[in-house]
Amino acid sequence: NAGVTQTPKFQVLKTGQSMTLQCAQDMNHEYMSWYRQDPGMGLRLIHYSVGAGITDQGEVPNGYNVSRSTTEDFPLRLLSAAPSQTSVYFCASSYAQGQSYEQYFGPGTRLTVT
Amino acid sequence: AQKVTQAQTEISVVEKEDVTLDCVYETRDTTYYLFWYKQPPSGELVFLIRRNSFDEQNEISGRYSWNFQKSTSSFNFTITASQVVDSAVYFCALSEGNNNDMRFGAGTRLTVKP
Repeated sequence: NAGVTQTPKFQVLKTGQSMTLQCAQDMNHEYMSWYRQDPGMGLRLIHYSVGAGITDQGEVPNGYNVSRSTTEDFPLRLLSAAPSQTSVYFCASSYAQGQSYEQYFGPGTRLTVT
Repeated sequence: AQKVTQAQTEISVVEKEDVTLDCVYETRDTTYYLFWYKQPPSGELVFLIRRNSFDEQNEISGRYSWNFQKSTSSFNFTITASQVVDSAVYFCALSEGNNNDMRFGAGTRLTVKP
């Protein structure tokens, strides 16, 4: 199993550009999520999905969109990038709905918005 | 909303010393889950432990041990006989019942010097 994969690993955007961060898992996990990691702030939940076709907002959803058309994929879209979205983004998945199971994290995407 | 506090921003020890990383949490739920994750310099997030609110038994795994005390809302992590490879950022996290919003602490950066 590849686990949780993320692409790209690094990305530089200009303010106002759009892009999609890709996330895929091959563990047949129902629950997937996106976090951003900023210095001194730990990880903050952006959006999550408890299954195909179901998504919801986390702690910091503004400026991001998600969709979940398949169990395997959970892309994160930035519609109009802003410097405040410079961060490291992690995708994660876990076995089932709810947080009683450990999450498996992808390797992260380092995004810089200039 | 739930909250996790890791008051120690950075800790530096010499190899073979014991070190304890503190984690204090806040929640109104009686059912919740606590986690520790390790983030080595390579950047990935590695799951270490999950503990539910009904299990206050301390746990030991090799050189790692965890002390869960509901009376003080703490879930502290001790590394015995630390090694250079233990150098990493360690995150404590909390989720409530079936709430999908996992909250992370800001993390503690541990440096183990040879």
